[in-house]
Amino acid sequence: QLQLQESGPGLVKPSETLSLTCTVSGDSISSLSYLWGWIRQPPGKGMEWIGSMSYSGNTYYSPSLQSRVTISMDTSSNQFSLKLNSVTAADTAIYYCARRKYYGDYLDSWGQGTLVIVSS
Amino acid sequence: QSALTQSPSASGSPGQSVTISCTGTSSDVGGYNYVSWYQQHPGKAPKLMIFEVSKRPSGVPDRFSGSKSGNTASLTVSGLQAEDEAVYFCSSYAGSNILLFGGGTKLTVL
Repeated sequence: QLQLQESGPGLVKPSETLSLTCTVSGDSISSLSYLWGWIRQPPGKGMEWIGSMSYSGNTYYSPSLQSRVTISMDTSSNQFSLKLNSVTAADTAIYYCARRKYYGDYLDSWGQGTLVIVSS
Repeated sequence: QSALTQSPSASGSPGQSVTISCTGTSSDVGGYNYVSWYQQHPGKAPKLMIFEVSKRPSGVPDRFSGSKSGNTASLTVSGLQAEDEAVYFCSSYAGSNILLFGGGTKLTVL
């Protein structure tokens, strides 16, 4: 059974870098049929797609976040990571990792989400 | 790209049918058959309910159905049950490997 679990600091200071890791069990992130990525949900607001990465190393980012985002993979640990730099209070959100079907572009498995607060 | 538009709330009595809409543009919802719907109960991870406009993943009851007309996609829940009370949000492919989401609709079972 596929499981995704986010981990990382729950509190980040303004202007610093938000770093999260998603640990995948039950499937290999080396699969060619899927992308692996991040979505966030600010308090009381809708979901926002952040970006996705393929096993081949292709990365796709939201145009609004592209200048601050990096998604990377560690296939040896079956993990992928998110870095968002120069954070502000507007980046406070629940961050989810998810598996995305390559053709079909749907997210068929999600992590439970982790709340990250940006505050000094 | 702007977020997809959903009504904030919808409601229905047990046994009734409710339809939730998701409006985009010809560059996203209207341009691709890659609309998906998700159910989210409070404090839980989202669950895929519909993909590629009208397909149901294994295990999703056939009370849930999806459709699309022009730039608007719809999710219909038939035979409403108490456990269907949740937030439902849509997503659409928008080209260039970009995904867009709707703001979510809170479904209340009266």
